Amino acid sequence: DTAVSQTPKYLVTQMGNDKSIKCEQNLGHDTMYWYKQDSKKFLKIMFSYNNKELIINETVPNRFSPKSPDKAHLNLHINSLELGDSAVYFCASSPVDGLALANTGELFFGEGSRLTVL
Amino acid sequence: AQTVTQSQPEMSVQEAETVTLSCTYDTSESDYYLFWYKQPPSRQMILVIRQEAYKQQNATENRFSVNFQKAAKSFSLKISDSQLGDAAMYFCAYRTGYFGNEKLTFGTGTRLTIIP
Repeated sequence: DTAVSQTPKYLVTQMGNDKSIKCEQNLGHDTMYWYKQDSKKFLKIMFSYNNKELIINETVPNRFSPKSPDKAHLNLHINSLELGDSAVYFCASSPVDGLALANTGELFFGEGSRLTVL
Repeated sequence: AQTVTQSQPEMSVQEAETVTLSCTYDTSESDYYLFWYKQPPSRQMILVIRQEAYKQQNATENRFSVNFQKAAKSFSLKISDSQLGDAAMYFCAYRTGYFGNEKLTFGTGTRLTIIP
């Protein structure tokens, strides 16, 4: 049973195209995230959603649009792809309850989706 | 804003030996979590160990232990009896302990090589 699953795992596309990456978690978590890992392996948060509501948007270009149809899914759509968008995109989830200190604090990550823009 | 610094881009250790990876962080909060994640070549992010800031006792998970120095804002990872499977990128990460706006802030990573 895969806890956090992303599709596709690899994506090669041309500049200017529009693409989507899907993420699903079966852990019953309330919060989901998208992280970007660049060529130097640096991981930076892009978005977080809590129960379908956008919580964090870290100065990501408007070409990136997350969509959360329900709390188990968080998809990432990218318009007009650019060379600099080439990276590994990680989806993650975490449980959140009213007392943040009562949960474990960790994020559960998917396997990542490697996007290559030519 | 919180920042996490890993000053060792690369480390290597002989198999069966002990290695320590360094991490420092900057925060004005008193309640938070600290983590070490491992990323092997498969690129899966795997939690190695976690530490709650309110706990004075250093966390331990089998061969992995941390040295948490809250006043110094230091959180190093010690790997004992290193094994070939420990070869990976290791990321230190910080998370606020307060409700709302939770996210992990990562350091730049340390690539660990195990020498047979």
